[in-house]
Amino acid sequence: DAKTTQPTSMDCAEGRAANLPCNHSTISGNEYVYWYRQIHSQGPQYIIHGLKNNETNEMASLIITEDRKSSTLILPHATLRDTAVYYCIVRGIISNFGNEKLTFGTGTRLTIIP
Amino acid sequence: ETGVTQTPRHLVMGMTNKKSLKCEQHLGHNAMYWYKQSAKKPLELMFVYNFKEQTENNSVPSRFSPECPNSSHLFLHLHTLQPEDSALYLCASSQEWAHSGYEQYFGPGTRLTVT
Repeated sequence: DAKTTQPTSMDCAEGRAANLPCNHSTISGNEYVYWYRQIHSQGPQYIIHGLKNNETNEMASLIITEDRKSSTLILPHATLRDTAVYYCIVRGIISNFGNEKLTFGTGTRLTIIP
Repeated sequence: ETGVTQTPRHLVMGMTNKKSLKCEQHLGHNAMYWYKQSAKKPLELMFVYNFKEQTENNSVPSRFSPECPNSSHLFLHLHTLQPEDSALYLCASSQEWAHSGYEQYFGPGTRLTVT
């Protein structure tokens, strides 16, 4: 699996856009980039994923560089409830059924400041 | 509410006890996963089941025994655990293979303490 590198922690003011970077310089051509977050004492929550193109959903936007070696997760208007650990993951396939292996790193602890 | 439930939410057990963790998903998925999250360590994949068949055992000690009677239910049977097995145990489910990628939905976890 491609390794990802994220800053350990970040702060963002409430109402501002939170931009979380991730480096995945060893990503291969068919590997997707996934973002999950984990609010304290809860299970991880899926946010968004992409392969090459930028993606947007109701939660966030994902910007992937043209060489795919890095990406940025954007939370457009951060709220206090967005305080969590954010994980950038490159998906690996572990079975002929297509079961995915999500290798979670230590993530970025994002704190939204009132 | 993610559609994946886990019981119990908290469990304290002695090293000689036998207990089971239960996971149920209401999403119509065919793949289910067990993860372990120890304090200050990343989530670790333990087991993967696809259409009730185990497709991955990530070198987990035999004191952890999974069971998947159907695509909606997943159990983790525990016996003679060690204090270092204390952790948050998370269950997840997903669709089976999809070329465009698919997400895993996680339950709230069972906080296990081994005394």
